[in-house]
Amino acid sequence: EPEVTQTPSHQVTQMGQEVILRCVPISNHLYFYWYRQILGQKVEFLVSFYNNEISEKSEIFDDQFSVERPDGSNFTLKIRSTKLEDSAMYFCASSERLYTQYFGPGTRLTVL
Amino acid sequence: SQQGEEDPQALSIQEGENATMNCSYKTSINNLQWYRQNSGRGLVHLILIRSNEREKHSGRLRVTLDTSKKSSSLLITASRAADTASYFCATALGDSWGKLQFGAGTQVVVTP
Repeated sequence: EPEVTQTPSHQVTQMGQEVILRCVPISNHLYFYWYRQILGQKVEFLVSFYNNEISEKSEIFDDQFSVERPDGSNFTLKIRSTKLEDSAMYFCASSERLYTQYFGPGTRLTVL
Repeated sequence: SQQGEEDPQALSIQEGENATMNCSYKTSINNLQWYRQNSGRGLVHLILIRSNEREKHSGRLRVTLDTSKKSSSLLITASRAADTASYFCATALGDSWGKLQFGAGTQVVVTP
């Protein structure tokens, strides 16, 4: 069964460094998303992406964040200058049509 | 205000028993979805119920939606130890097609 994959599974970085989290959505899906879950807290929406542009973003998704679909398979989330509070599990999701989103296993980001 | 608040926060049952959890939300929705998350893992989509549906079944899962009360319930029948996980409801709001808002989840423990 097709699934969303994410790499790396765990990323440790120093505060102020740039990180790129990678996702490979399900191949025939057209809609892509990033969410994050700070330890012990709710899953929070970051951004949705369709037709090579951002469709919607949350207040969390400020100028430090960017997303890109550099080729036909990858979908990336870049954090330009990481802060301690960016430490969280980041989930990529994709959907073929609207609504039913399939999530990847997540990347645990630890900012030191 | 928060969408998708689950109740109870935690539920402990024996194998073979049924588990029921509820979700309340505040604004109009397109649909409501239930996800499962095993400890430290990704979110697995369980079932989606549209705003014009009242009940839906999938295997041992039964979901109801009452839009007049802005609430949904998830019933897991004949629970198994493998059902041990956190269960989240997520709402897609009327004015947003892709942004899911998650509740804090119900942690279910099924003991053999």
